[in-house]
Amino acid sequence: GENVEQHPSTLSVQEGDSAVIKCTYSDSASNYFPWYKQELGKRPQLIIDIRSNVGEKKDQRIAVTLNKTAKHFSLHITETQPEDSAVYFCAASPINNDMRFGAGTRLTVKP
Amino acid sequence: DGGITQSPKYLFRKEGQNVTLSCEQNLNHDAMYWYRQDPGQGLRLIYYSQIVNDFQKGDIAEGYSVSREKKESFPLTVTSAQKNPTAFYLCASSIPGLGMSQYFGPGTRLTVL
Repeated sequence: GENVEQHPSTLSVQEGDSAVIKCTYSDSASNYFPWYKQELGKRPQLIIDIRSNVGEKKDQRIAVTLNKTAKHFSLHITETQPEDSAVYFCAASPINNDMRFGAGTRLTVKP
Repeated sequence: DGGITQSPKYLFRKEGQNVTLSCEQNLNHDAMYWYRQDPGQGLRLIYYSQIVNDFQKGDIAEGYSVSREKKESFPLTVTSAQKNPTAFYLCASSIPGLGMSQYFGPGTRLTVL
């Protein structure tokens, strides 16, 4: 089955700096790659996603890139703000929609 | 935040007792999922169901059971066979098919005393 690895496990940046989180996946049949943000004690919320027929997608300060050949995808947050502090999860979904998640990255944005 | 609900928010049980966690959605989604989240870890798939009266085991199904008698409901039973049940449990739903995002419930925190 699908295996998703996520790095780093923790990330601390200064307000205004950029943050990058990277994930790799194992199943070449995976075709959907969402990113979720989870604040402490709350449910994960979808923040951006990308499908395998697209290499990059951007939504304001958030962007995701996908390299299908290398089987990795990344989340980029620019101009970080304290409210961006949370745990971020990547995921990969193979053909049967059986989604697998990375272990998460705890992002701390220092004011 | 509406659409998918879980109850209760906090649940305490004694060792050896079975307990059932509720998950209900009014999003008209066919697919539903149960995940377990431990501190500092990601989401691990327990069970999922793509359609009523059908479900499949995920990566950590041992000690858990589910039913899917109605489209709106996907209850999870944590049995006494689950050796380490204390965790945060998240239910999710989606439209089945290729590349569909999942929407999560607020979660139930289960503590075994």
